[in-house]
Order: sequence, then structure tokens, then C-alpha cells
Amino acid sequence: QAGLTQPPSMSKGLRQTATLTCSGSRDLVARQGIAWLQQRLGHPPKLLSYRNDKRPSDISERFSASRSGDTASLTITGLQAEDEGDYFCSSWDTNLNGWVIGGGTRLTVL
Amino acid sequence: EVRLEESGGGLVQPGGSLRLSCAATGFALSDYSMNWVRQTPGKGLEWISYISGSSFTIYYGDSVKGRFTISRDNAKNSLYLQMSGLRAEDTAVYFCARELKWGQGLDYWGQGTLVTVFS
Repeated sequence: QAGLTQPPSMSKGLRQTATLTCSGSRDLVARQGIAWLQQRLGHPPKLLSYRNDKRPSDISERFSASRSGDTASLTITGLQAEDEGDYFCSSWDTNLNGWVIGGGTRLTVL
Repeated sequence: EVRLEESGGGLVQPGGSLRLSCAATGFALSDYSMNWVRQTPGKGLEWISYISGSSFTIYYGDSVKGRFTISRDNAKNSLYLQMSGLRAEDTAVYFCARELKWGQGLDYWGQGTLVTVFS
């Protein structure tokens, strides 16, 4: 499977839990690891997690990332209105020598 | 505080050239690999180029190979993207992004600069 595949959209209610998925080749997901980015409307992307499950110090514990096989997941608990936006998964492809970025999932918080 | 600020975007005709700059503050640019990533209005993100801290290693995406040139001046804490042979499909917001060690992720991004190629 080439690249990283994400569902285009998801809608969840306030205070609910959203789990976003990202599937790709075993090389990308399992070996290189996945980084998740959040992009709110009108803002640049922001790193939420890296190396599958590591979280930068300034990112809320409501965001947690994991990997199982060739699928990576980002779980957001206690959804807030400010969580609305686009979420991208990414990975360095050692075959292409470049970053591969998924098409993104637009999360709508109802 | 880590900050990246792009500049140099604008309107250009097909076949024209443009040079983007990315000014880095709050960290030593030489310690990090850097990337350019672009985003077509309303669309996803497309990685276009990578440069290692010493400029020894450079990579390009297929869509810009042979037309764009990435470079850096660590003494000036600046990253550049020289774009030539511009096409309508190069119209996008261009971001510079800092890379974590060992390609683990792109941890800081600038606000982006818009390049519009029109005839």
C-alpha cells in the first residue's frame, strides 16, 4: 500500500472521544513510525505526537497516539470545540527519501 | 521561543521565478534538518524538499525536482527555497518546518507564505 490513508471526515459531539486512523505500509507505520499533526482553520500545522506514541510537552494528555500493525491511531478524549480541524498523519519514507503525509481527516465537533 | 517566519511569496506568471525565505529564531538552525511543505488552498499537505543541518544531504519531491532548489545559511539562521519554472499547480501556501532528530516528526512550522502562479 502506497502512502498513508486517512478517512476524509469524522463528526463527534462535545466531550465525546474521537479515534482517527492512519493506515499504510508496514515500512512506514511500523518501522519509521507515525507523527500526527493538527491544523486548525487558518493556522499552520502543529505536532501532536511523534514516533507513534510520543507526545511533545506542550500537548494536552487528551491526545494520545498508538500503533497496531500497519495502522496508527490518534485518540482525542473529552472533545472540545477547539479540537475541530484537520488531522494529518506523516512518516519519513526511506524509499522515497521524503515525508509522506496522509490526506487528512477533518474532525467536526458538534 | 522557537519561531519560523516565511517571506517572499507573491504573484508570479507561469515560467517565472520566486525565492522564499524562512527566518529561524529561538534555536540554532545548524542543529536541525529543515523542510519545505506546501498546501494547496483547501487541500492537504505536500512535502517538497529536505535539507540536512550541514546542507550535505538534500532531497526533493518529484513534483518540484529540477525546478526548485533548497539552501540554507546557518550563520544567518535562514532557510531558502528558490523556485523557477513555476506552474499554475505550484500555487499554494509554502511552509518551512523544523525536523526532529532521526526523522521522527516536523515539530515547528512557520505561518506560511502564499505563492500564486497565474497568467
